Amino acid sequence: EAGVAQSPRYKIIEKRQSVAFWCNPISGHATLYWYQQILGQGPKLLIQFQNNGVVDDSQLPKDRFSAERLKGVDSTLKIQPAKLEDSAVYLCASSSRGINGANVLTFGAGSRLTVL
Amino acid sequence: GDSVTQMEGPVTLSEEAFLTINCTYTATGYPSLFWYVQYPGEGLQLLLKATKADDKGSNKGFEATYRKETTSFHLEKGSVQVSDSAVYFCALITGGGNKLTFGTGTQLKVEL
Repeated sequence: EAGVAQSPRYKIIEKRQSVAFWCNPISGHATLYWYQQILGQGPKLLIQFQNNGVVDDSQLPKDRFSAERLKGVDSTLKIQPAKLEDSAVYLCASSSRGINGANVLTFGAGSRLTVL
Repeated sequence: GDSVTQMEGPVTLSEEAFLTINCTYTATGYPSLFWYVQYPGEGLQLLLKATKADDKGSNKGFEATYRKETTSFHLEKGSVQVSDSAVYFCALITGGGNKLTFGTGTQLKVEL
């Protein structure tokens, strides 16, 4: 099956500019996640969608970050205005529940953002 | 809240050496436990998982056993290869939840 697609792979912007990342999950996966991975740290969940509804956005900096998942398939994560500390890899993942109820996430290759 | 603690890296080994990467967790309820691997320039890939106490997950020569009594899920491999060089993340999901909580990752470097 096709994996999770993300674009762009790399983006360099000046602080206070805006940027958008796109994600196409695995076909049929109802749950979609955006994670932020800062260099040297583990990924941190920003937002989780179930179909086109938000399940958890408790760690999303809502003053500058927004995300949407129209029609319950593709998703876009936007940052406006960007800060230096937003430099990170933004990972999209999708999931279906496997055997024994274990929820297995499949990740995309990520979008690396550098804010100058 | 839920948390995962991993041994700090980098871990540097010679090819064919034995590998152990320690992972302990704190969680409410009974989590499912995972090891993900991130090769240079690539996304996270599921390496193995275990869903209940005493389960052993295995894949590509790697193994980890879910130890409830010590709240641990240590990753082991009997003979590492240069191609195993990557960053390894321990992670958990609690109960019926969907939120994956990661450790900080351990970088493994395998040299000839």
